[in-house]
Amino acid sequence: QQPVQSPQAVILREGEDAVINCSSSKALYSVHWYRQKHGEAPVFLMILLKGGEQKGHEKISASFNEKKQQSSLYLTASQLSYSGTYFCGTEGSGAQKLVFGQGTRLTINP
Amino acid sequence: KAGVTQTPRYLIKTRGQQVTLSCSPISGHRSVSWYQQTPGQGLQFLFEYFSETQRNKGNFPGRFSGRQFSNSRSEMNVSTLELGDSALYLCASSLVGSLDYGYTFGSGTRLTVV
Repeated sequence: QQPVQSPQAVILREGEDAVINCSSSKALYSVHWYRQKHGEAPVFLMILLKGGEQKGHEKISASFNEKKQQSSLYLTASQLSYSGTYFCGTEGSGAQKLVFGQGTRLTINP
Repeated sequence: KAGVTQTPRYLIKTRGQQVTLSCSPISGHRSVSWYQQTPGQGLQFLFEYFSETQRNKGNFPGRFSGRQFSNSRSEMNVSTLELGDSALYLCASSLVGSLDYGYTFGSGTRLTVV
């Protein structure tokens, strides 16, 4: 089942913070976060694994609540380059595939 | 290193025709997954191949098929095209069949069915 993301859209001024949530009704092994800019491919931001391990390569943080099967992506002191659509992708144990949420469109204005 | 390469970038086909899309993963990546992206449905999983074997398949009709070659390159085929097949088709590769380091997506093939 598709995870639910909230909010669907956010408009911020540069320097403000944002939180994007992702909730699943299924037990998860991992949660991925991707950002897609208009006309471009989704880009991997971060993965959160069951058990607390976190892997990523950008200065963006996230959390994973295993009991609630929820993850949150935290964007602090947002920059114009953060604009885009953010997707969470969830993976069940042994699934080897991601099920993506509908996306959250983030607009950062100067 | 080179990224994931998808060809062609754009396609326009007529209803009833068939189409083949190609994906070359990052060197060393042996798993290739395909997704369909539309404004209404978002990113929908089509199938995943690892070492030339289909390990996972999404909820798409049999008109959608794929394969993977020994060099890890993958193709997907859609037969008897319908208007609703118009979408961006994304290929994603990952290391060794594990998603622990995430997907690397290609730029996609935008298919328009008229």
